[in-house]
Formats: sequence, structure tokens, C-alpha cells
Amino acid sequence: KAGVTQTPRYLIKTRGQQVTLSCSPISGHRSVSWYQQTPGQGLQFLFEYFSETQRNKGNFPGRFSGRQFSNSRSEMNVSTLELGDSALYLCASSSVRENTEAFFGQGTRLTVV
Amino acid sequence: GENVEQHPSTLSVQEGDSAVIKCTYSDSASNYFPWYKQELGKGPQLIIDIRSNVGEKKDQRIAVTLNKTAKHFSLHITETQPEDSAVYFCAAIPYAGGTSYGKLTFGQGTILTVHP
Repeated sequence: KAGVTQTPRYLIKTRGQQVTLSCSPISGHRSVSWYQQTPGQGLQFLFEYFSETQRNKGNFPGRFSGRQFSNSRSEMNVSTLELGDSALYLCASSSVRENTEAFFGQGTRLTVV
Repeated sequence: GENVEQHPSTLSVQEGDSAVIKCTYSDSASNYFPWYKQELGKGPQLIIDIRSNVGEKKDQRIAVTLNKTAKHFSLHITETQPEDSAVYFCAAIPYAGGTSYGKLTFGQGTILTVHP
């Protein structure tokens, strides 16, 4: 059974640009969550999607957005990139309504220069 | 919101020793507590979890204990091996409820080093 797949693995962007990251959940999983991981702030929740609807959102500015498609694949977008957005962005998928037992992908390493 | 504190931040042990990592949480509504292991260049991997209706769970060399009254839970690794070296994260989440979906709150992480 394939795990959570995130693409691309690495990205380098310039300040002010925008970026889109992709996540394909485990087959059959309908919930997808996104997290930002930095050395200073650790793992922080961005948002969660279930059946194409955002069910929960963390404390990030509106520059961070996401969406989910009918096949459960999800994308997150960051507009007007700032240096502080450099981080490992992780996607997790879950199969049950209560969204427990989250399985993570390998992440996308975003570097903003 | 939930706040999870994790200690210690670094832990160094000799191969064969036991390792214990402790976490405390603040939200009494939290009732699911997973532990993740993250190796360099990889995403976090779920290694064990516990729900609030049990006090202890064991899986081979790994065990987790939960004290709901004190709001703390711990990871115990026995007979440590060099391949156990990684960063370990605890997390907490309240089951169900419209504001909790997907919102795992993580501890700050513990860097475990097992010396051969």
C-alpha cells in the first residue's frame, strides 16, 4: 500500500513569489492535514481538509491556503513568500472521521531566498 | 487551545539502556495521544498511540503510559538500539468536535541518541 506522497521534495523560491505544494494521501483516506515544521517553532498545524471542505484551520496568515480535490488529493498554496516561510511542509492523511492515526509524508522542503 | 510540553529536549543513552520521554498537556478534552519518530530527511512516523480510556499500551520494546488526572503521558523504550536514534515527538488531540479535526498539537521534540 503506497504511503502519503508529497511533491516536490525540494523547492527554492524568491521572496514575493508564490508556491503550490501537492499531497496525495493513502488510498481510501479522506482527511488531509498540513503542518509546517521549523527548528524554532516545531510542528505547527496549518489546516485540515475532509471531503473537499476545510474543517479546521491553524493560526497562520491568509497567505497560506489550501484545497482538496474529489480524489482526496490536496494542495497548499503560499502567496507573497517571506524568508520566514522557509520550512519543511508536511502532509498527513487519516482514514477515520475523528482524524486519528495520522500518517505523514516525507515533506516538501521550501527555501525562500 | 491545547499546549504540549515535552522533556527532555535531548537524551543520550548507551545501547541496551532504557529511555523515557515525558509530555504534559493542558486541555482536559484531549483524549488521543500519538508518538512519532522522525529520522533525518523523513516525515514523522507513528510508532505508538494511546487513547484516554487506557492507562498503558505496549508494543514490543516500546510502551506508553497515560495519567489523565495529572495530564501527562510518557514514552518508554527498553533495550535501546542505535537505530532508535531519532527525534521523537509526542502529540495530543481531542476526539471529534468541529474544532479539533486534524489539529494535532505537538511537543517540541526529543533528540534521542543511542551510543553503541
